[in-house]
Amino acid sequence: QKEVEQNSGPLSVPEGAIASLNCTYSDRGSQSFFWYRQYSGKSPELIMFIYSNGDKEDGRFTAQLNKASQYVSLLIRDSQPSDSATYLCAVNAGGYQKVTFGTGTKLQVIP
Amino acid sequence: GAGVSQSPSNKVTEKGKDVELRCDPISGHTALYWYRQSLGQGLEFLIYFQGNSAPDKSGLPSDRFSAERTGGSVSTLTIQRTQQEDSAVYLCASRPRGGANVLTFGAGSRLTVL
Repeated sequence: QKEVEQNSGPLSVPEGAIASLNCTYSDRGSQSFFWYRQYSGKSPELIMFIYSNGDKEDGRFTAQLNKASQYVSLLIRDSQPSDSATYLCAVNAGGYQKVTFGTGTKLQVIP
Repeated sequence: GAGVSQSPSNKVTEKGKDVELRCDPISGHTALYWYRQSLGQGLEFLIYFQGNSAPDKSGLPSDRFSAERTGGSVSTLTIQRTQQEDSAVYLCASRPRGGANVLTFGAGSRLTVL
């Protein structure tokens, strides 16, 4: 079982719709959870991180964490063509500093 | 510096040659990470440094790969006797001590082994 799993996609949504990206992780000791965005040919950049169960909102982005189900999601409201990228989920076990990435989900927002 | 700097940005080498990839982290960032990203794939963890020591080398694919960090700053990833399967983008990231474990990435070094 992979440590961090994501559906590779592509996930296609029309402009203005909500895009829902999902991630599961295997280490129950994980404490910090991150979403990075990577445009083609570019390096990953942080969108947001979450520590606690529940939702965390930042503009059009909402991260959701359910530690009991070992599940993290990212919602993008009012999706724009500029949101088209690969979204990487990353997990950290807190005191142990390794940050493990999933393989990413490719999102395509159709104008 | 203002960001994480990696060099070279592009390296083409022949199979069997040694290569060195350099990473200069953000000034004051104590932790430094190396990842590898093959075409169309996710980020594969290679090694992590806290200061000059490497608590976790578990991701290094083979003994042909080594890395060091000096002065708590610049890091060098060395690949000996390169193979075609080493072709990938090698990404370096750094983060400050404490706080959220948020990584800032460099632009990467693209390695092509012919």
